[in-house]
Amino acid sequence: KNQVEQSPQSLIILEGKNCTLQCNYTVSPFSNLRWYKQDTGRGPVSLTIMTFSENTKSNRRYTATLDADTKQSSLHITASQLSDSASYICVIPRRSGGYQKVTFGTGTKLQVIP
Amino acid sequence: NAGVTQTPKFQVLKTGQSMTLQCAQDMNHEYMSWYRQDPGMGLRLIHYSVGAGITDQGEVPNGYNVSRSTTEDFPLRLLSAAPSQTSVYFCASSGRDRPGEQYFGPGTRLTVT
Repeated sequence: KNQVEQSPQSLIILEGKNCTLQCNYTVSPFSNLRWYKQDTGRGPVSLTIMTFSENTKSNRRYTATLDADTKQSSLHITASQLSDSASYICVIPRRSGGYQKVTFGTGTKLQVIP
Repeated sequence: NAGVTQTPKFQVLKTGQSMTLQCAQDMNHEYMSWYRQDPGMGLRLIHYSVGAGITDQGEVPNGYNVSRSTTEDFPLRLLSAAPSQTSVYFCASSGRDRPGEQYFGPGTRLTVT
């Protein structure tokens, strides 16, 4: 069964600290993985995409990693800011006929406190 | 560009009532989808469309209808609202060249009493 599991479910950290969010998947076949950020009361916004051949990709204070062998991805946030408080969702697309459906993880809710 | 817009932002319905959630995008995207998001669950696909005049069911289609008469609009109709349809509904669109990169609307929070 195609599944995407994320951990932890929720996380509280102090402003300025680092944190790492995990994503394990069983989606097959696999081509790429996206991390989305969802602020409270808003729709998800794409942060980064990891393709099968990429191991690490950085976008400002966000660093995503991918291990296609163990089917794991992580999102590392450096020097957290209050604006990082949001849910982070791991998303993996899969072909279904002529359409690319996506499997969403349940997300990690991050709260950054002063 | 406004991106993906949804109306209304909030709605309260009584059991058995019907209504239409509106979704529009101005990016000329071929693909559009409707999702619902419930606490503790990932977004679940209700219906999707790969182009004007073409729609198909997602994983939780029961109780919902869609149509796609234009590229821009993709309304979601609740035929007879039930409390189990209380949720936050998101519309998303993506282009044929990057189908996995979805742009989401701001959501509609629906409560059915």
